[in-house]
Amino acid sequence: DTEVTQTPKHLVMGMTNKKSLKCEQHMGHRAMYWYKQKAKKPPELMFVYSYEKLSINESVPSRFSPECPNSSLLNLHLHALQPEDSALYLCASSQDLTWDEQYFGPGTRLTVT
Amino acid sequence: AQKITQTQPGMFVQEKEAVTLDCTYDTSDPSYGLFWYKQPSSGEMIFLIYQGSYDQQNATEGRYSLNFQKARKSANLVISASQLGDSAMYFCAMREGGRYSSASKIIFGSGTRLSIRP
Repeated sequence: DTEVTQTPKHLVMGMTNKKSLKCEQHMGHRAMYWYKQKAKKPPELMFVYSYEKLSINESVPSRFSPECPNSSLLNLHLHALQPEDSALYLCASSQDLTWDEQYFGPGTRLTVT
Repeated sequence: AQKITQTQPGMFVQEKEAVTLDCTYDTSDPSYGLFWYKQPSSGEMIFLIYQGSYDQQNATEGRYSLNFQKARKSANLVISASQLGDSAMYFCAMREGGRYSSASKIIFGSGTRLSIRP
């Protein structure tokens, strides 16, 4: 099973809402990633978890809060977002941080109104 | 400074023809990895092929091959016998430090949108 799943597929939220994005993998991978992708742009790294510990935070605003409750799950908690945060949010996993091939999920298309 | 450059924002190719997507990179690290991802309109990034800087031979995966020219710092993707399902955005990416480094992140190019004509 080489699948990374993400829920929900689409999310519309107001600027005062609190919501969460969920990512799950069952490949035994120990590194998990959140990327943000604006239309017609490449993905931009947001966070990296390695063995359930936050390894990299690319200076992401605090209105984005990642969480890795176990080795298979990665959440991204959203609060007080701005319209410019509307984007495709991609989750990825890899065997560990030393392994190059990352497997991506289908993404969550987020719209902030 | 731009580390990964894809100079073709869009390409149109006839079905069954071969296509080359250009990618040049810039790094002073002797150890690095290069790869290509495909992103259909559905959004999922699909890993296609990997080339390590010390690999002696060009990487191949089915219809995909990577034309690695180290001295020119280019890593072009070649798709043989293109199919309608190949229509997608293609991203070239690099990771400095090579396969066994945990210190660096993947840097993506700006992408090339490939459209296959029937």
